[in-house]
Amino acid sequence: DIVMTQSPFSLAVSEGEMVTINCKPSQSLLSSGNQKNYLAWYQQKPGQSPKLLIYYASTRQSGVPDRFIGSGSGTDFTLTISDVQAEDLADYYCLQHYSYPLTFGSGTKLEIK
Amino acid sequence: EVQLVESGGGLVQPGRSLKLSCAASGFTFSNHYMAWVRQAPKKGLEWVATISTSGSRTYYPDSVKGRFTISRDNAKSSLYLQMNSLKSEDTATYYCARPDNNRFDYWGQGVMVTVSS
Repeated sequence: DIVMTQSPFSLAVSEGEMVTINCKPSQSLLSSGNQKNYLAWYQQKPGQSPKLLIYYASTRQSGVPDRFIGSGSGTDFTLTISDVQAEDLADYYCLQHYSYPLTFGSGTKLEIK
Repeated sequence: EVQLVESGGGLVQPGRSLKLSCAASGFTFSNHYMAWVRQAPKKGLEWVATISTSGSRTYYPDSVKGRFTISRDNAKSSLYLQMNSLKSEDTATYYCARPDNNRFDYWGQGVMVTVSS
């Protein structure tokens, strides 16, 4: 099984600041066939279902603001949120969809000061 | 608009069974794999099951394999999760989700399952 190590557990920032969330899978998520990384990022606001933000490590889902940036490859991935807004208060999760069993990171709680 | 609406949750005793349903609309159900993902109270997300378009292939993590069965009825655009031999650790909100290359691009609102005596 691919273990997804996500950090930090939580962070608190002021509006306008930038945050970085990390996700390190225990094995590479890069497909040799299509050179895509099978890593997705989700946002879950309080009381809501998760929402897909980023897939293939860096492709933003339709409608997602461009302040959400995914980067990385292989075994090291990052979600960067620039110019954090109050509405970004949420839990964030990474997901590896490279192989079964599909596995999520443990989550990062973003709080706004 | 894609909609996924779960039902069938509730309180059940350990060792008993429960069947969840998910009604899908807004897309051609028979063309898509479907899945269940759960979230224990105040905990993270856990993938539970995936089923192929025809239902001929199913996938589970070890935590539910042999106890849970995912199925579908393409004529009714419905997805199901039969949960047997339920344990307290199965207590969670269960989400119906639509995978696209195994990433979940649409989610239902979730249904709560509580396993307790």
